[in-house]
Amino acid sequence: GENVEQHPSTLSVQEGDSAVIKCTYSDSASNYFPWYKQELGKRPQLIIDIRSNVGEKKDQRIAVTLNKTAKHFSLHITETQPEDSAVYFCAASIKGNTPLVFGKGTRLSVIA
Amino acid sequence: EAQVTQNPRYLITVTGKKLTVTCSQNMNHEYMSWYRQDPGLGLRQIYYSMNVEVTDKGDVPEGYKVSRKEKRNFPLILESPSPNQTSLYFCASSSPSRPSGTTYNEQFFGPGTRLTVL
Repeated sequence: GENVEQHPSTLSVQEGDSAVIKCTYSDSASNYFPWYKQELGKRPQLIIDIRSNVGEKKDQRIAVTLNKTAKHFSLHITETQPEDSAVYFCAASIKGNTPLVFGKGTRLSVIA
Repeated sequence: EAQVTQNPRYLITVTGKKLTVTCSQNMNHEYMSWYRQDPGLGLRQIYYSMNVEVTDKGDVPEGYKVSRKEKRNFPLILESPSPNQTSLYFCASSSPSRPSGTTYNEQFFGPGTRLTVL
């Protein structure tokens, strides 16, 4: 089955700097790659996703890139703010009716 | 309001006492799933359901049961809870992308149930 590795497990950045979180997946048939943000004590919520027919997607300060050849995808957050502090999860799903497989998460701390 | 609800939100119980955590969604989603979240291990899938009367094991199904008799409900049953099932549990639902139906849209998560088994 699919296996998703996520790095780093923790990340601290200064406010205003950029943060990058990377994930690799094992199954080349995966074609859907969402990112979820989980604030302390709350449920995970989707922040951005990308499908295999595109290489990059942006939404204001966040972007996701996908390299299907290398089987990795990354989350980029620019101009980080304290409210970006949270745990971020990447996930992958194989085309068709199969469930998401999540990475173990990255705890991002933005230091003011 | 479109949402996924779980009950109870918090539960402390003892080893061996059967319990059920309910999950309900009002978005007419076909797909529902249960995850457990433990420190350093991320979200691990317990069971999932593609539609009514269709369920399948996830990565960590041992010690759990589910049922999907109605589209909106997907209860998680622990027949004989043990301390290693102490965890934070999330239910989630989603629906296939239209019109192809070959990929899934965003998963919506419930608020979570914090379970402690003594």
